[in-house]
Formats: sequence, structure tokens, C-alpha cells
Amino acid sequence: SQKIEQNSEALNIQEGKTATLTCNYTNYSPAYLQWYRQDPGRGPVFLLLIRENEKEKRKERLKVTFDTTLKQSLFHITASQPADSATYLCALDHNAGNMLTFGGGTRLMVKP
Amino acid sequence: DAGVIQSPRHEVTEMGQEVTLRCKPISGHNSLFWYRQTMMRGLELLIYFNNNVPIDDSGMPEDRFSAKMPNASFSTLKIQPSEPRDSAVYFCASSPLASGNYEQYFGPGTRLTVT
Repeated sequence: SQKIEQNSEALNIQEGKTATLTCNYTNYSPAYLQWYRQDPGRGPVFLLLIRENEKEKRKERLKVTFDTTLKQSLFHITASQPADSATYLCALDHNAGNMLTFGGGTRLMVKP
Repeated sequence: DAGVIQSPRHEVTEMGQEVTLRCKPISGHNSLFWYRQTMMRGLELLIYFNNNVPIDDSGMPEDRFSAKMPNASFSTLKIQPSEPRDSAVYFCASSPLASGNYEQYFGPGTRLTVT
């Protein structure tokens, strides 16, 4: 069956360091993958979309990689700040449509 | 832009009662999604609409759940009768679905508690 795995344990890092979050999937052939940020009590907020033919995408301090051979995406936040503390969700499409399946999310805590 | 609007923000009801959740998508967006989020199951897609037409409702847990989109600016998710296991945060999201713009914009959610 299709499965998306994100580290369910919180990731604690020091301010200024690079945070790296992992999204692994099985039995999917996604046309694209998305990353969202969710703060407590709020809805997810879209951050980045990367397509299957793109290896890397950047937006300000964010970088996403997509390895369709390893079936893995890495999400990096460089020069992390306490304001980056949140839960980060990856999401995969269903057959290039606009339906998404979300991973369980990884909580990031950036300590000053 | 007002963003996706959901109401109510919180709903507490007794088992067996009917619950109606409401959503107003972003103007111009032609896809609308209903999700449910719990600690145990994460964020699950319940149903989605394109141009007001339900496309996939395979995520709707059972017949007690129904969703409608009578026009491009309004959708409802109804639970009748409600059960304690329906307690969750329900999100509505919309998407422009224009030339590969697949990002979804989520509302603030409705926290439903069924006692």
C-alpha cells in the first residue's frame, strides 16, 4: 500500500544551524511533492512545490530536494531561527492530479 | 485577500446531533478540499470538488458524512448523526488549479468536539 513517512520525533536544533527534514515514500510515483508548514491551532501553509523532473528547488532560506530513485525528499532550512519552529508536512499528489496525501509531519524546535 | 473562511471555529455538540461545517473558498479558486486532522491519523482528505462537482469522496468515512458545494463560493460538510470518534479539526482548502498551480490554501479549521 502507499505510504509516506516523516520522522514523528521532534527535531531540536540550535539557532543558526541548518535543519534537515526527511520525507520518504513507497508505492507512489508522484508527479510533484509539496511541503507545508503548520503552526499550532492553524491550518497548513504552502511553502514549496517540486516536480518529478526537478532535483532541487530554493526559496529564500528554504531548499527542497527530490530523489525519485530513492523515493525521498529532503527539506532544508538554513540559518534557522526560533520563528521557524513549527510542524512541517510533506504531501504527494495522486497521479498528477490535485489530490494530495499528507505525511504525518515532523515538529521542528529551534532553540535560541 | 480574505483567504479561506471557515465557520464555526469551534463546535461542541452531543452525540447524535447534526453538525454542519461551512467553508468559503478563495475567490477564483475552482478546487475545494475537505480534510480531517487528528493526532492518531494525521491530515486526511475526505472529499474534493472541481468546479463545484464532487470528484473523489473515497475518504469520507461513512454515510453519516456528506458534503455539498452549491456554488463556487460556498461548501458544507455535514455529519448526521455525530459520534465522539468524529472529534477532530476539520479543514477546508482551495486551489486555483491553473496551469500547474497545485498548491492548496487552507482555512483556519473547525475544531469539533462530540461528547
